[in-house]
Amino acid sequence: EVQLVQSGAEVKKPGESLKISCKGSGYSFTSHWIGWVRQMPGKGLEWMGVIYPGDSDIRYSPSFQGQVTISVDKSISIAYLQWSSLRASDSAMYYCARRGPFTYAFDYWGQGTLVTVAS
Amino acid sequence: QSALTQPASVSGSPGQSITISCTGTSNDVGGYKYVSWYQQHPGKAPKLMIYDVSDRPSGVSNRFSGSKSGNTASLTISGLQAEDEADYYCTSYSRSSTLEGVFGGGTKLTVL
Repeated sequence: EVQLVQSGAEVKKPGESLKISCKGSGYSFTSHWIGWVRQMPGKGLEWMGVIYPGDSDIRYSPSFQGQVTISVDKSISIAYLQWSSLRASDSAMYYCARRGPFTYAFDYWGQGTLVTVAS
Repeated sequence: QSALTQPASVSGSPGQSITISCTGTSNDVGGYKYVSWYQQHPGKAPKLMIYDVSDRPSGVSNRFSGSKSGNTASLTISGLQAEDEADYYCTSYSRSSTLEGVFGGGTKLTVL
C-alpha cells in the first residue's frame, strides 16, 4: 500500500528555522516525483515545487523559489521542506504528494503538516 | 504565476449533474493533456478524482468525468450525492516561466 506519512504539527516563532518531512512507503521511492503543496487557512491549494528522489532534480514555483528548500534523503525514503527564517505568513497546512506514473497528477497525498508561526 | 480560473461556487440537487470549469491558457490547460482534478473535504487531504483530462483513478466513481476544449477543462459530476459536497481544484502542467504546475482557485460544491 502506497503511503506518505508527514511529520507532526509545528508551532514556531518568527525567525526560527524549520524542516518538515514526508516519508514514502509501499512503492519505489526513487521513481516518482514528490511535490509540496501549501494551503493557507481558508484558502486554496498552491503548487510549491517538486523533487525527483532518483537524482534530486528540483523544480520550484517562482512564488516559492528562494523562500523554501526542498530536499530528499533517498536512503530513508524521506522528502523535506524547510525554511531558514519563518514568517507569520508561512502559517499554513503543507501537503506532500506523489506524482503518478506517466502523469503530472498527484495520485497519493500525505495527511498534511500544520505549521503555525506566531510570536 | 497565474492560477487557473474556476467558479467560486456551484450547487445542485441530489441526482442532478453539475459541471465545474477550469480556464487557463495555451501554456497550461490548452497546451497539454495533463489536467487533473482533486476533491477536498473539510479538514482532509485532497483526493485525485481525474487525471490527464479524462482518466479516472481506480476506485473513483464513474459519476465523475473530465473533458477539455481549448483552454478550458471541465469536471462533470452526474447523479449528485450528498457526499460530493466538497471543494474541487483543477491543476495543469504549465510550461510558463519554468513553472511546472499551477492550481485553480477552487470551487465549493454545495449539494442542496
